[in-house]
Amino acid sequence: AQSVTQLGSHVSVSEGALVLLRCNYSSSVPPYLFWYVQYPNQGLQLLLKYTTGATLVKGINGFEAEFKKSETSFHLTKPSAHMSDAAEYFCAVTPKIQGAQKLVFGQGTRLTINP
Amino acid sequence: DTEVTQTPKHLVMGMTNKKSLKCEQHMGHRAMYWYKQKAKKPPELMFVYSYEKLSINESVPSRFSPECPNSSLLNLHLHALQPEDSALYLCASSPKGLAGNTDTQYFGPGTRLTVL
Repeated sequence: AQSVTQLGSHVSVSEGALVLLRCNYSSSVPPYLFWYVQYPNQGLQLLLKYTTGATLVKGINGFEAEFKKSETSFHLTKPSAHMSDAAEYFCAVTPKIQGAQKLVFGQGTRLTINP
Repeated sequence: DTEVTQTPKHLVMGMTNKKSLKCEQHMGHRAMYWYKQKAKKPPELMFVYSYEKLSINESVPSRFSPECPNSSLLNLHLHALQPEDSALYLCASSPKGLAGNTDTQYFGPGTRLTVL
C-alpha cells in the first residue's frame, strides 16, 4: 500500500529565506507525485506534479520539487519565502495502476513565515 | 474556468435533520469526488464518481448518501449524522474517469459542517 510521510508538521522560516518541505513515499513502484497547498478556510490548490520526464518540476508561485527515485523523495522548495506562502502544504501520491484515482495524502506541513 | 463551486459554505444541523451538500463544475470533467477533512488533518476520500457512476466508496457509513444527477453536479445527502461527522467536506473534479490517475484534481472551497 502507498504511504506518504511529510517530515515536520510545522515549519517556520523568515521572509526571504529558503523554504524546504520534505516528502517521502513508500512504494515498490514510484507513484505519481503531487504537492497541494491549502490556505485557511479554502480548498486545495495544485502547486505542481510529477508524472514522467524531467525530475525537476516547476510549479506555481515560484515553487519547485525534485523527484529522487533513489531517495524515494519529492521535496518542495522555494528560494525566497513570501508572507503569502503561509499555508498548509500536502504531498500526495497516486499509484501507477490503471483505474486508481485515489490520492493518498501525507499528514501535511503548516508553513509559517516570520516577518 | 477551473472552478468547482460548493453550497452551502456553512451548515449547522441537528442529529435528526436531513440536509444536502451540493457541488458543481462546468469544466467537462468526468470524475467527481467527495472528501472529508477534519481539523489539522489531510482530506480523506469518501466517494468517487466516474462518468456519473459510483466507482469508489471508501466504506462510508450509510448516513452519507452520494448522488450524481449529471456530469456537472454532485450531491451528498446527509441523514442522522453524529457530532463526530462535523468537518470540512470538500468536493473535487478531474478531467478523466477511471483512466485519470495522473489527472489534477480541482477542489472546491468546501462546506463546513457542524452537527449538534
